[in-house]
Amino acid sequence: GAGVSQTPSNKVTEKGKYVELRCDPISGHTALYWYRQSLGQGPEFLIYFQGTGAADDSGLPNDRFFAVRPEGSVSTLKIQRTERGDSAVYLCASSWDGSTEAFFGQGTRLTVV
Amino acid sequence: GQQLNQSPQSMFIQEGEDVSMNCTSSSIFNTWLWYKQDPGEGPVLLIALYKAGELTSNGRLTAQFGITRKDSFLNISASIPSDVGIYFCAGGGGATNKLIFGTGTLLAVQP
Repeated sequence: GAGVSQTPSNKVTEKGKYVELRCDPISGHTALYWYRQSLGQGPEFLIYFQGTGAADDSGLPNDRFFAVRPEGSVSTLKIQRTERGDSAVYLCASSWDGSTEAFFGQGTRLTVV
Repeated sequence: GQQLNQSPQSMFIQEGEDVSMNCTSSSIFNTWLWYKQDPGEGPVLLIALYKAGELTSNGRLTAQFGITRKDSFLNISASIPSDVGIYFCAGGGGATNKLIFGTGTLLAVQP
């Protein structure tokens, strides 16, 4: 597609449940990023993929968070045993190899009740 | 997580006025980016800066990469109602190209 696509756009889940958030990057972009944005804050880095491998996962808050990109294109962010504090907008971005210019999707708003 | 200091936090101006906002960091960055975010949308890239001292324009927008590499500013000239939104600076250019974002500046433009 023309831009970064994220699904679903909204997700409401109960505390303790497992969720998966999907990101379709811009075609040809080898770099993919996940960020988390809380209300009134700027996006915060979670994880960076170069191709299929996670080159930097230093932003993942704990071991309940995991992300994969098995074929170097689509990525899935997985959150286990969700907590109310996980509620936020999860943003995905992609860029050309070696470029800092990241293009963002519209985000998935996750609400844990 | 780390966030850059961005000021002002919010601005309420009349259409046609010029606007200036800035971003400071305790760390050096190799790249400074400016994004605009509308409600319910992801950030949209406005301007990218790659060299200390660089001044770059994109239409009515002008941004500068500070000479110390620890700051950047964004100017918007002759504001219009569609300039309304939240503006974020972001520093990057490290080994993994991850971005550190500022706290955001909310801009409101009254027609």
